[in-house]
Amino acid sequence: TQLLEQSPQFLSIQEGENLTVYCNSSSVFSSLQWYRQEPGEGPVLLVTVVTGGEVKKLKRLTFQFGDARKDSSLHITAAQPGDTGLYLCAGRGYGQNFVFGPGTRLSVLP
Amino acid sequence: GAVVSQHPSWVICKSGTSVKIECRSLDFQATTMFWYRQFPKQSLMLMATSNEGSKATYEQGVEKDKFLINHASLTLSTLTVTSAHPEDSSFYICSARDPFGGQGVSTDTQYFGPGTRLTVL
Repeated sequence: TQLLEQSPQFLSIQEGENLTVYCNSSSVFSSLQWYRQEPGEGPVLLVTVVTGGEVKKLKRLTFQFGDARKDSSLHITAAQPGDTGLYLCAGRGYGQNFVFGPGTRLSVLP
Repeated sequence: GAVVSQHPSWVICKSGTSVKIECRSLDFQATTMFWYRQFPKQSLMLMATSNEGSKATYEQGVEKDKFLINHASLTLSTLTVTSAHPEDSSFYICSARDPFGGQGVSTDTQYFGPGTRLTVL
């Protein structure tokens, strides 16, 4: 069974600050995804990474997949209140379903 | 982009009744759909994988006789919570995978529905 850990569990920052959240596992993943979920809604896919060392950018969000494909990070530059939400990583082992991490709950204060 | 809908968005029922939740892929055919449950302030827990035309695959610890899944067509999967009890109260979310992906879209991509909040009194 793959287990994903995310850190920090909670994060509260001021608008304009930068932040990084982490997703770690002892398992190797064929692909890893990041989602953002707002209260009462389903998760929305932000990015999928599949290559070790891969870096993807989505406006102010930068995603990196670890070289060994066991971990990933999400960096947000100049956070805005609209970034508030639950950030979930999900990893998929070869031939397996995606497993979700426990999430990082981000609150960006104006 | 691909859209997945769920119905109802919320439901309140009495203990002992059964509740059916529908998950539809609106603009693509999904051979595989997934059902998750999410407790407040917690992550998503996969309950089962729903395969069109065959039996669902349940995760360990999920009672298949309590959570009935029917994937009768390529665009519809249903989850029926039978004889619901207060401990079944949760946020139920489905997702669907587009087997053909699309331009720049991996076949790994899951499209999530908006969720159904079930409250059992």
